[in-house]
Amino acid sequence: KAGVTQTPRYLIKTRGQQVTLSCSPISGHRSVSWYQQTPGQGLQFLFEYFSETQRNKGNFPGRFSGRQFSNSRSEMNVSTLELGDSALYLCASSLGAVYNEQFFGPGTRLTVL
Amino acid sequence: DAKTTQPPSMDCAEGRAANLPCNHSTISGNEYVYWYRQIHSQGPQYIIHGLKNNETNEMASLIITEDRKSSTLILPHATLRDTAVYYCIGQTDSWGKLQFGAGTQVVVTP
Repeated sequence: KAGVTQTPRYLIKTRGQQVTLSCSPISGHRSVSWYQQTPGQGLQFLFEYFSETQRNKGNFPGRFSGRQFSNSRSEMNVSTLELGDSALYLCASSLGAVYNEQFFGPGTRLTVL
Repeated sequence: DAKTTQPPSMDCAEGRAANLPCNHSTISGNEYVYWYRQIHSQGPQYIIHGLKNNETNEMASLIITEDRKSSTLILPHATLRDTAVYYCIGQTDSWGKLQFGAGTQVVVTP
């Protein structure tokens, strides 16, 4: 089975721009979660989608948004980029059942200049 | 979610068992203990989880004390590829949200 894939792997943007990151979960997985990882804050949960519905959300400003499609693929969008948004953005998928066994992708490294 | 405390770093000799401690004295009865690891520049990887009983899989063993206030992850024969940051998480199932702490940086040396 193919693992979680994220595109693009690397991205450079400038302040004020917006960006869209994509995540394809493992086949059959219906839950997709997004995380931001920075050296200062570590791994922080952004949001989770299951069957196209956002079920859970972390403490991030409204500039961070996401969506999930009927095939479980997910995208996250960050508008009006700030320097502090530079981070590794990780996507994880799971069956969405009882246990939090999540499978992570390799991440998208976003640099904001 | 339970507050977890882990040592910031540990060294381990290749081929020896690595015993990674985690304190979760505030864990409640319905909170699981999860272990993940993150090898440099990769996404985290699920290792194992448990509620009350000890668990073992092909990667590791998880020993949870009877009072559930602490646990130990055991890597039976550490290899250089086990060098990673190991995260202990104590929480209920919460719709895809994992609360990662700072973790333990484990370095396996030849």
